[in-house]
Amino acid sequence: RKEVEQDPGPFNVPEGATVAFNCTYSNSASQSFFWYRQDCRKEPKLLMSVYSSGNEDGRFTAQLNRASQYISLLIRDSKLSDSATYLCVVYRGGSYIPTFGRGTSLIVHP
Amino acid sequence: GAVVSQHPSRVICKSGTSVKIECRSLDFQATTMFWYRQFPKQSLMLMATSNEGSKATYEQGVEKDKFLINHASLTLSTLTVTSAHPEDSSFYICSASLAVSNQPQHFGDGTRLSIL
Repeated sequence: RKEVEQDPGPFNVPEGATVAFNCTYSNSASQSFFWYRQDCRKEPKLLMSVYSSGNEDGRFTAQLNRASQYISLLIRDSKLSDSATYLCVVYRGGSYIPTFGRGTSLIVHP
Repeated sequence: GAVVSQHPSRVICKSGTSVKIECRSLDFQATTMFWYRQFPKQSLMLMATSNEGSKATYEQGVEKDKFLINHASLTLSTLTVTSAHPEDSSFYICSASLAVSNQPQHFGDGTRLSIL
């Protein structure tokens, strides 16, 4: 099993839709989790950290399920500009060494 | 927020050339930086962990003699691709963070390397 797994997609959704991605991780000792956004041929940019109690930033909601070892990202009211690849990042247990998922591609169409 | 600068952004050179890429943390001290490589339509792959004042830690399958990493100060790490060949053409990105487990990585802009 890979350390961090994501469905590569693509997820094709219309503007205004709600879409959710999951990311599973294998190391139960992992403590830190993040969602990044990467546009084509660009560097990843931090979207949000994922906290144990779940957290929300505008249209974006991140949640952590430790029992099932996954994190999720929910995007409400999708915009065309949300089209990108969404990467989940998990720090190896007890460290700050990042492991990336392969990313989930989102395409929002008019 | 934390800023990481990477230079150059684009390199095109002949096979056999060695290429140096710089990664600087501009507003914080980074005892650890990370180097990644990303091929088209593939995930970001961690190549090595660059430790200030000591040897880098390379991921399995990454040749340390091919990809030389130097982290001589708290704000600068360099990656040198020695005797580059076309198969080394890729997008190379660095990241840095405060060396605390709950702090996110901040990325440089990336370097697109093309070996002819």
